[in-house]
Amino acid sequence: DAGVIQSPRHEVTEMGQEVTLRCKPISGHNSLFWYRQTMMRGLELLIYFNNNVPIDDSGMPEDRFSAKMPNASFSTLKIQPSEPRDSAVYFCASSPQESYGYTFGSGTRLTVV
Amino acid sequence: KQEVTQIPAALSVPEGENLVLNCSFTDSAIYNLQWFRQDPGKGLTSLLLIQSSQREQTSGRLNASLDKSSGRSTLYIAASQPGDSATYLCAFYSPGFQKLVFGTGTRLLVSP
Repeated sequence: DAGVIQSPRHEVTEMGQEVTLRCKPISGHNSLFWYRQTMMRGLELLIYFNNNVPIDDSGMPEDRFSAKMPNASFSTLKIQPSEPRDSAVYFCASSPQESYGYTFGSGTRLTVV
Repeated sequence: KQEVTQIPAALSVPEGENLVLNCSFTDSAIYNLQWFRQDPGKGLTSLLLIQSSQREQTSGRLNASLDKSSGRSTLYIAASQPGDSATYLCAFYSPGFQKLVFGTGTRLLVSP
C-alpha cells in the first residue's frame, strides 16, 4: 500500500495565479479530508468527502478555494486566485470511514509570493 | 467550543528516560482517539488508535491510554531515543463534531 499520495510536494507561485493540489487516497477508504497547517493556526480542516460527496466545507476560507472528488481515487484542491496568506502546508488524509483512523499524506508546501 | 490541550507544550529529556505526554479534552462523548507524530517538514504519522470500546493500545515502546470519564489520554514512551524527537499530536473524533479535532501538540527533544 503506497499510502495517501499528494502532489506536488512543493509549489511556489506568484500571487494571483491558480494553484491545484492533488491527492490520491488509499484504495478502499471512503472518506477524504483536506487540512491546512500553519504555525499560527495549527491544523485546520478545510473540507471532507464521504463516498466522493462533499459533506462539510465550512472550513474552506473563502470562495477562492474549491475542492472536487470526481472519483474514489482522486481529489483536487484549487485556489484561484492565490494570495500570500494562502502559504501553508496542505495535507490530504483518508480513512475507511469518517469516524475511524486517519492516514495522512506527506503534504504540499505552498508558497505564494 | 471543544478544547483539546496537550501538556507539556515542549519537553527536553536525555536519552533513555521514560516519559508521559498528556492530552485532555472537554467532550466525554468522543468516539475514538488517535496519536500522531510529526517530524519537521513532514506529514503526520499515525502511532496509535484507541477505539471507543478500548482503554489502551500498545505498539513497541509506546503505550496510549484513554479515560473518557476524566477527559484524558496519555502517551507513554519507554526508554526514549533521539529518533523519538518530533511533535506529538493527539486527535479525537466526536460524533458531535463529525471531524477529527486536534490538540495543540507537544514538541519533544531527546538528547543523546
